Amino acid sequence: QVQLVQSGAEVKKPGASVKVSCKASGYTFTGYYMHWVRQAPGQGLEWMGRINPNSGGTNYAQKFQGRVTMTRDTSINTAYMELSRLRSDDTAVYYCARDPLVGTTLFDYWGQGTLVTVSS
Amino acid sequence: DIQMTQSPSSLSASVGDRVTITCRASQSISSYLNWYQQKPGKAPKLLIYDASSLQSGVPSRFSGSGSGTDFTLTISSLQPEDFAAYYCQQSYSWTFGQGTKLEIK
Repeated sequence: QVQLVQSGAEVKKPGASVKVSCKASGYTFTGYYMHWVRQAPGQGLEWMGRINPNSGGTNYAQKFQGRVTMTRDTSINTAYMELSRLRSDDTAVYYCARDPLVGTTLFDYWGQGTLVTVSS
Repeated sequence: DIQMTQSPSSLSASVGDRVTITCRASQSISSYLNWYQQKPGKAPKLLIYDASSLQSGVPSRFSGSGSGTDFTLTISSLQPEDFAAYYCQQSYSWTFGQGTKLEIK
């Protein structure tokens, strides 16, 4: 069965970086984009960017350009999202979600979420 | 950037009611519109893709319609498990609407 398992909760200080992992199983990792979406406490969903695990190519939301880096390791079917220069308003649950490389864009499986807390 | 605007932001309804949530795009997105349901503390769940296609395993009381800039999600007869937040998403550049919280009246 398809599973996306994310790394555990993180507490970081302002100005630091965080790297969240998303390990995929139950499907061909290189056949699906991996997107990252975040949700601040009590707020809506915010798309951050995506990576093509096949090529390593990325697309980032303009808001996060220069602060976010998405990478992958195809040998262990894992995608990563690193956010730098953290601020208090980066406190959120971060989700990964897969999307087929070919055909309709849809996020059909999601990770369980990783809470990142930014606090001094 | 394509902006997505949902209405209403919140809605109170009773079990058995028919409910409609709307989503408007700032420019035409053809039928590239998805709907998700999210319950507290859980990841979102895909309900509808391409504006009107029901995701596998989703009950048939959920339906979607629309094209261009105006879209709707309809729940034909609310069940207790349907009280949740709902989000639309355009799949040109993946942005979401601000969400609609569906609460029990």
